[in-house]
Amino acid sequence: ILNVEQSPQSLHVQEGDSTNFTCSFPSSNFYALHWYRWETAKSPEALFVMTLNGDEKKKGRISATLNTKEGYSYLYIKGSQPEDSATYLCAPDGSARQLTFGSGTQLTVLP
Amino acid sequence: DVKVTQSSRYLVKRTGEKVFLECVQDMDHENMFWYRQDPGLGLRLIYFSYDVKMKEKGDIPEGYSVSREKKERFSLILESASTNQTSMYLCASSTLQGTEAFFGQGTRLTVV
Repeated sequence: ILNVEQSPQSLHVQEGDSTNFTCSFPSSNFYALHWYRWETAKSPEALFVMTLNGDEKKKGRISATLNTKEGYSYLYIKGSQPEDSATYLCAPDGSARQLTFGSGTQLTVLP
Repeated sequence: DVKVTQSSRYLVKRTGEKVFLECVQDMDHENMFWYRQDPGLGLRLIYFSYDVKMKEKGDIPEGYSVSREKKERFSLILESASTNQTSMYLCASSTLQGTEAFFGQGTRLTVV
């Protein structure tokens, strides 16, 4: 079983705060790292898929960085809004082709 | 719009029944996945397939089997349902390794 760790498990922030979460994964046999947002009563939706060491991607107020050598990725949310409340999942995509998810970071943004 | 469709949103089955969960995608994707989601455990991979008639075990395949006879359809089979298989089941598909996966709406299965 691929060991994927996400921290923190849950997070409460005030509207307007910036926040970040971590995803740790095995650095061997790396192919890509996926980030997904999962809102209550909806299906998970992809935010980013990153493949290169040092890669940095941005979508609006959300950005992510990738370090494949040490096996971690950070997800940043700038100026959190209540609509950002969701569970954020990461999944390393390795040579075995399987997509294994971490248990997620549950973000609650308080108005 | 891309679509991954799961046959049922809610399902209630009896212990010992054979249960089929169907997933269909209309994007001509090679890869398909079945996950279950339980509180505090995130999404756990049951089986995946990267081609017709190909299947690979994920992290928790025990008690499950799968079938992929056609590219667009990936079925999860519970040979003899048990109460510990009560869960939310999610299907996903992707075109190639390293591309984003698209998820179905989920099937909440209750085994009584």
